[in-house]
Amino acid sequence: SQQGEEDPQALSIQEGENATMNCSYKTSINNLQWYRQNSGRGLVHLILIRSNEREKHSGRLRVTLDTSKKSSSLLITASRAADTASYFCAPNTGGFKTIFGAGTRLFVKA
Amino acid sequence: DTEVTQTPKHLVMGMTNKKSLKCEQHMGHRAMYWYKQKAKKPPELMFVYSYEKLSINESVPSRFSPECPNSSLLNLHLHALQPEDSALYLCASSTPRLAGGQGDTQYFGPGTRLTVL
Repeated sequence: SQQGEEDPQALSIQEGENATMNCSYKTSINNLQWYRQNSGRGLVHLILIRSNEREKHSGRLRVTLDTSKKSSSLLITASRAADTASYFCAPNTGGFKTIFGAGTRLFVKA
Repeated sequence: DTEVTQTPKHLVMGMTNKKSLKCEQHMGHRAMYWYKQKAKKPPELMFVYSYEKLSINESVPSRFSPECPNSSLLNLHLHALQPEDSALYLCASSTPRLAGGQGDTQYFGPGTRLTVL
């Protein structure tokens, strides 16, 4: 696998606003996953998008994938204070090795 | 049961101690992982076991010794650690592709917070 690079590194928004974070990667992938980590806890898998998919939804989450630009975005709509966490993308080229990028730290103010 | 459990939650040890971290899952996953995470950094892969065999060792120092006694259990034995080894240690599991599963979604435990004095 390879490392994704998330952007921005940190994001602070008001509750109810939308949050968008981006991920770029370098080579062809089988799929790309997004994970969330609350402070000091384990990672939680949010969504997986395959290389032949362009958009995927799960509740308030929307993920897009542009393989031509080697980029993905995660949109969280109507954010809540409980969405405060670090978000990591994980591009996967197959196999077990997952290298997480530095992540985006999201802070949602109540 | 979609849970990965880790014990202990917190561990404080001296540099001469020997301790072990334990990870358990009952999802039938045949791939299990150890990650190390320092504060405000992403998790870094240490080891991967597939079908109870060590598949990946990311050049981890020998003071960390993994063990996979069966398909549900993963241990990390610690000996002669250094203060810089203090970190959150995360265990994860997934279904290997060879088993015909998705193979990519990893389920993480809550981690063990390790402090080396």
